Amino acid sequence: QSVLTQPPSVSGTPGQRVTISCSGSRPNIGSSYVNWYQQLPGTAPKLLMQRNNERPSGVPDRFSGSKSGNSASLAISGVQIEDEADYYCAAWDDSLSGVVFGGGTKLTV
Amino acid sequence: QLHLVESGGGVVQPGRSLRLSCVASGFSFSRYGIHWVRQAPGKGLEWVAMISHDVVNEHYAASVKGRFTLSRDNSDNTVFLHMNNLRPEDTGIYYCARDLYATTVTTVGYWGQGTLVTVSS
Repeated sequence: QSVLTQPPSVSGTPGQRVTISCSGSRPNIGSSYVNWYQQLPGTAPKLLMQRNNERPSGVPDRFSGSKSGNSASLAISGVQIEDEADYYCAAWDDSLSGVVFGGGTKLTV
Repeated sequence: QLHLVESGGGVVQPGRSLRLSCVASGFSFSRYGIHWVRQAPGKGLEWVAMISHDVVNEHYAASVKGRFTLSRDNSDNTVFLHMNNLRPEDTGIYYCARDLYATTVTTVGYWGQGTLVTVSS
């Protein structure tokens, strides 16, 4: 069981807005920044969103992040076929003294 | 350009040991913490351990504490993950990753391509 909870799967058609939720608790999301990773099939994960809502250089602006209390979400406005991948949320956990990941969400476009 | 290259994976019997290496280039290695994250076949990501830039802090997931240890050689830009008493559930791809920010240990930033560890008799 993952410390952070994500839906196993979401789907959308090209151009739709898709959101992925990530639920945690006070020692992790409630106390730390949330980061999101994208893992395309057969590749290593890549940082997609840092510090809740900051896009690293090169990440398209259709990706956005938000955090409220002990939950966070990743939104893709105008999802594209190439966005089909697994998405993971993560945060530092003060009580575990480590990084905790969500179980991952498979996006199907 | 930032690069992280893992090596040392392979097939090992339960109870045996293995040492993974992570060689870094393209950034000031001695200023950054390094994480290890693993992924079992067909499963999600699991954070394993991290070592701070100055070796003052090390943290381990409960699933590996007491069996895995980290070391680093800042003169050689290398981090080692020493894995002892391996179990079948340790099977997976092991990624090394640089912390996103200098001198911090909380954010997995840039990832290597991973090395596969298979624990099986």
